[in-house]
Amino acid sequence: QSVLTQPPSASGTPGQRVTISCSGSSSNIGSNYVYWYQQLPGTAPKLLIYRNNQRPSGVPDRFSGSKSGTSASLAISGLRSEDEADYYCAAWDDSLSGLLFGGGTKLTVL
Amino acid sequence: QVQLVQSGAEVKKPGSSVKVSCKASGGTFSSYAISWVRQAPGQGLEWMGRIIPILGIANYAQKFQGRVTITADKSTSTAYMELSSLRSEDTAVYYCAREEPRDAFDIWGQGTMVTVSS
Repeated sequence: QSVLTQPPSASGTPGQRVTISCSGSSSNIGSNYVYWYQQLPGTAPKLLIYRNNQRPSGVPDRFSGSKSGTSASLAISGLRSEDEADYYCAAWDDSLSGLLFGGGTKLTVL
Repeated sequence: QVQLVQSGAEVKKPGSSVKVSCKASGGTFSSYAISWVRQAPGQGLEWMGRIIPILGIANYAQKFQGRVTITADKSTSTAYMELSSLRSEDTAVYYCAREEPRDAFDIWGQGTMVTVSS
């Protein structure tokens, strides 16, 4: 059981906006940055959002991140079929002195 | 652009050890850390530990303490992850990732499948 809690699944139709939540605690999300990784089927994870809301070069601005207190969210607007993937949140944990991942959310584009 | 190239798939017996390598191609480790993350079949991502090659300092997730050893050879820009006392539950894809220390994992290796089976 992950310490960072994500919904196991999410879905939307092309063009819609979907959000994925990530809930943690004061020792991780509450005091450190949140990261989001996208994993397409059969591939290695890819950095999607860093430091709560920053996008690496090449990531479309359809993807955005936010954080409030001990929770964070990933929003995907203008949903496209190629966005169908697993999404993981992550944050460093001061109590554990290590990185935590959420359990992952499988996004289905209907 | 730096790429992380991992060693090939392994099949191991329960109780044995496995050592996976991760070589930085097209660059060096510089001041980055290298983290190791594993993913069991159909499961999520799990952080195992990391090393800062320039300092030679490693730290490990509590779950793997005593069973995992992460090392690095600066001269060849290669990091290694050795996991001992293997059991079937260790069957997973093992990834290395370049880490801005205590920050994002911006580059990932292609993954190495380790199968533990008698």
